[in-house]
Amino acid sequence: ETGVTQSPTHLIKTRGQQVTLRCSSQSGHNTVSWYQQALGQGPQFIFQYYREEENGRGNFPPRFSGLQFPNYSSELNVNALELDDSALYLCASSLWGGSNQPQHFGDGTRLSIL
Amino acid sequence: GIQVEQSPPDLILQEGANSTLRCNFSDSVNNLQWFHQNPWGQLINLFYIPSGTKQNGRLSATTVATERYSLLYISSSQTTDSGVYFCAVQGAQKLVFGQGTRLTINP
Repeated sequence: ETGVTQSPTHLIKTRGQQVTLRCSSQSGHNTVSWYQQALGQGPQFIFQYYREEENGRGNFPPRFSGLQFPNYSSELNVNALELDDSALYLCASSLWGGSNQPQHFGDGTRLSIL
Repeated sequence: GIQVEQSPPDLILQEGANSTLRCNFSDSVNNLQWFHQNPWGQLINLFYIPSGTKQNGRLSATTVATERYSLLYISSSQTTDSGVYFCAVQGAQKLVFGQGTRLTINP
C-alpha cells in the first residue's frame, strides 16, 4: 500500500511569487484535503477535493486554490505569496464517506517566504 | 465551530515514566484521531478512535463520546516518544486540531 506522498519537501520563495505544491493520495483513497501548519500551531484546514471539485473550504483567501486530477492526486496553488504564508503544508487523503473516515497525512512541504 | 482543547500544553518526563494526555471537544463527533508529530514534522496516525478504547503496544487511547473527551496513555516512555501529540476531531469535511501537547522524554 502506497502512502501519501508530497513534493517538494522544501521550497523557498519571495513575496509576490506563486507556488504549486503536489500530493499523491494513498492508494484506494479518492478524497484529498490540504492543511496549513504555522510554527507552534496545529494544522488548519484549507480545502478538500473530491471528484475533482472543491468540497469545503476553510478561512483562506481566494489566492489559495487547488486542483484534483482523475487519478485523485492534487495540487495546491498559492498566488501573491506573503510572509505569513511561511508554513508546513500538509496533504491528507481518505476514502469519501462523510465524517467517519480517518485521514492519512503526507510528510508535508515546508514553504519559506523571504 | 467545533473547539478542541488539549492538556497539558507541555510535559517533560524521564525515560520509563507513564503519561496521560487529554483532549476535550465541544460537540459530538463521528471521528477522532490522535497523531504524533515528530521533530521532522511528520504527522503519524496513532489512533482512529471515535469511541471506546484501543491499544497499540505501549500506547492506548480511550474516547468517551458522551462526555466529549479522549485520553491518550503512553506507558514506559522512550526518548523516541518525544514530539507533539495532536488530537483532531472531524467537523463536516475537515479535521479540527487542538494546539497539541509537547512531550519531551529525557534519558
